[in-house]
Amino acid sequence: KNEVEQSPQNLTAQEGEFITINCSYSVGISALHWLQQHPGGGIVSLFMLSSGKKKHGRLIATINIQEKHSSLHITASHPRDSAVYICAVLVIQGAQKLVFGQGTRLTINP
Amino acid sequence: NAGVTQTPKFQVLKTGQSMTLQCAQDMNHNSMYWYRQDPGMGLRLIYYSASEGTTDKGEVPNGYNVSRLNKREFSLRLESAAPSQTSVYFCASTVWRGATSFFGPGTRLTVL
Repeated sequence: KNEVEQSPQNLTAQEGEFITINCSYSVGISALHWLQQHPGGGIVSLFMLSSGKKKHGRLIATINIQEKHSSLHITASHPRDSAVYICAVLVIQGAQKLVFGQGTRLTINP
Repeated sequence: NAGVTQTPKFQVLKTGQSMTLQCAQDMNHNSMYWYRQDPGMGLRLIYYSASEGTTDKGEVPNGYNVSRLNKREFSLRLESAAPSQTSVYFCASTVWRGATSFFGPGTRLTVL
């Protein structure tokens, strides 16, 4: 079983819809990252959070440490949001390392 | 600021050939990383350098070597390429381990 599981693996929605991508993890962590990978392949960091909620524009990330779960929400989705969204956790044990989920491929149709 | 740069962007090798992937960052970051990304799998750490002068193995180090040439540069070498090393390779850097990662554009490597 992967230490980081994302759902869904693929998501197709219409422009304007509210999007939720989920991330569950099974290890102790000190932080969780959400990354975005565009069709061209580049990866950018969206959020790093260790508790609560962060908001940047139309993107909202939440984390529940007790439930070992995080969600990434996109409000008023737009075709330019189409990308792969990747959850990564910073594992506490041993030498701290990032463990990545497999990613969620989001397609927003106009 | 260029951020994190990688060269080359594309490379095709024959089995047994060697090559070095170059990575440089201009953000004065301490930590640098090499990842590989394969279809259906998450990014996996090959090697990392927590600070200048140190390197450590990650999750999938076999078949690779690294050099932290200075604070800016971190190279990844394939001594004898194998088809299993066909992948997209990303270099990343952070101010400190666990901080926000900045990724390079990636190198798409095919080993025939």
